Amino acid sequence: RKEVEQDPGPFNVPEGATVAFNCTYSNSASQSFFWYRQDCRKEPKLLMSVYSSGNEDGRFTAQLNRASQYISLLIRDSKLSDSATYLCVVNRGYQKVTFGIGTKLQVIP
Amino acid sequence: DGGITQSPKYLFRKEGQNVTLSCEQNLNHDAMYWYRQDPGQGLRLIYYSQIVNDFQKGDIAEGYSVSREKKESFPLTVTSAQKNPTAFYLCASSTGQGALGELFFGEGSRLTVL
Repeated sequence: RKEVEQDPGPFNVPEGATVAFNCTYSNSASQSFFWYRQDCRKEPKLLMSVYSSGNEDGRFTAQLNRASQYISLLIRDSKLSDSATYLCVVNRGYQKVTFGIGTKLQVIP
Repeated sequence: DGGITQSPKYLFRKEGQNVTLSCEQNLNHDAMYWYRQDPGQGLRLIYYSQIVNDFQKGDIAEGYSVSREKKESFPLTVTSAQKNPTAFYLCASSTGQGALGELFFGEGSRLTVL
């Protein structure tokens, strides 16, 4: 079983839609969690850190469920500019940073 | 502006040649990393360094070498022993206790072996 699992998609959604991605992780010792956004042929960039209490940044909401070992990302009112690959990242420190393969989102006009 | 600079952005290499990818950061981060990204796969760790003059192998270190002589610099050499070096290489740095903070990435170096 992979340490971090994501549905690679693609998720094709119309503009204005709400879309949710989940990511599961297998190691309960994982300590910090992030969502990164990666545009085609570019470097990943931090979208949000993820906390058990949940956190929101504009149209984006991230949530961590430690009991079930998954993290989620919700995007409301999707924009064309949201089209990208979203990487789930789980961190146990130094060499123990594991990236999911990413979920591709395509927002359609 | 603080950040991570990788060079070159694109590199072509003939089989049998060693190449060195540069990574410089002015974020004053202790930890630095090299990752490789292939299509359809997540980022895979090649090497990481917690402090100057110290570095550790990651999951796919074979055929690669690194040095960390200065805090700001963490160059990666792709040797001729690396069987399939064509990939997108990403350098990153992080801070925070135990390096549990976010990773900051350079723009990447795309290596193609001809």
